[in-house]
Amino acid sequence: ETGVTQTPRHLVMGMTNKKSLKCEQHLGHNAMYWYKQSAKKPLELMFVYNFKEQTENNSVPSRFSPECPNSSHLFLHLHTLQPEDSALYLCASSQPGQGESPLHFGNGTRLTVT
Amino acid sequence: TQLLEQSPQFLSIQEGENLTVYCNSSSVFSSLQWYRQEPGEGPVLLVTVVTGGEVKKLKRLTFQFGDARKDSSLHITAAQPGDTGLYLCAGASGANNLFFGTGTRLTVIP
Repeated sequence: ETGVTQTPRHLVMGMTNKKSLKCEQHLGHNAMYWYKQSAKKPLELMFVYNFKEQTENNSVPSRFSPECPNSSHLFLHLHTLQPEDSALYLCASSQPGQGESPLHFGNGTRLTVT
Repeated sequence: TQLLEQSPQFLSIQEGENLTVYCNSSSVFSSLQWYRQEPGEGPVLLVTVVTGGEVKKLKRLTFQFGDARKDSSLHITAAQPGDTGLYLCAGASGANNLFFGTGTRLTVIP
């Protein structure tokens, strides 16, 4: 079983739909992240949660709404998205306070907005 | 935002050849990480370098952190098709601040 699991793997949604992305980590980490990966652009940090508290919101539009009910689960609620929001959305976790703690990524959700 | 430029952006080589990928920035980082991402998967950590001038080896991969901690390089010896993927560098600056590079997409042709 992979350490960080994301569902669904693929999602196609219209601009008026509401959907949610789910991330679950089994590594006992206390920090979780949402990243956006678009073609020809560096990985963009969207949100960071430490011990279930949001510590970073990287100027993300309000049509993206994160939720972290506990340190093992992270959601990204989507509504009224735009076609330019089509991308690979990656969830990651890490253990803060452990030196140069690396990120453990899930395999992402490939989102297409039509 | 601290920008990390990677070069080359794309690289296609024959199996057995050597290659070097560069990661450059004008900013100083406390550490630098290298990840590899294969199609359909998330990035996976290869190595973390912390000290300026540090060199780390991982089998056929050699990673170096610049003396000023602003740049890094990844050298692959005798590349194999299994090395194919997107190589990402990421510089750490403060808690939870990891800035990713623009990526190098490597294809190793059998």
